[in-house]
Amino acid sequence: NAGVTQTPKFQVLKTGQSMTLQCAQDMNHNSMYWYRQDPGMGLRLIYYSASEGTTDKGEVPNGYNVSRLNKREFSLRLESAAPSQTSVYFCASRGQGNVDTQYFGPGTRLTVL
Amino acid sequence: GENVEQHPSTLSVQEGDSAVIKCTYSDSASNYFPWYKQELGKGPQLIIDIRSNVGEKKDQRIAVTLNKTAKHFSLHITETQPEDSAVYFCAASILPGRRALTFGSGTRLQVQP
Repeated sequence: NAGVTQTPKFQVLKTGQSMTLQCAQDMNHNSMYWYRQDPGMGLRLIYYSASEGTTDKGEVPNGYNVSRLNKREFSLRLESAAPSQTSVYFCASRGQGNVDTQYFGPGTRLTVL
Repeated sequence: GENVEQHPSTLSVQEGDSAVIKCTYSDSASNYFPWYKQELGKGPQLIIDIRSNVGEKKDQRIAVTLNKTAKHFSLHITETQPEDSAVYFCAASILPGRRALTFGSGTRLQVQP
């Protein structure tokens, strides 16, 4: 099993450009999450999806949209990138029931100029 | 919402010494407290977790303690080794529910050989 995979690993955008970060998991997990990691601030939740077809806002959703394409895939879209969105983005997934462990992908390092 | 504070931000110890990282949380409803280790260029990986019905949990050289009254929990690493060098994050969440994690700001642990 590959676990949680993310593409791309690195991306540089200009202000105003758009892009989609891709995330996929092969563990048959129901819940998926997008976090951003900034220096000195830990990881903050952007959006999450409790199951296929449902999404909800997290702590810092402004400027982002998400799509739970199917059970495996959860994408994060920046419609008009801003320098404040320069960050490392992590996708995570969690199993069913009382399983609490979240498994994280390797991250996407995004720079917006 | 929940707020998790983590101290210290950096910690340097000699190989073989013990390391202690402390976190406090604000929401008394939080009942699940995981610790993650993040190595350079990788996503966070769960190393140990504890639920609020337990005061202490050990796994080989790693232990976590929880004081619900004071709303703080700590990670203890004994007999530290150079491979323990990484950034460690504490987190809190409420079970059941969406189980998204609120993270502390991280501690960079450096184990000197």
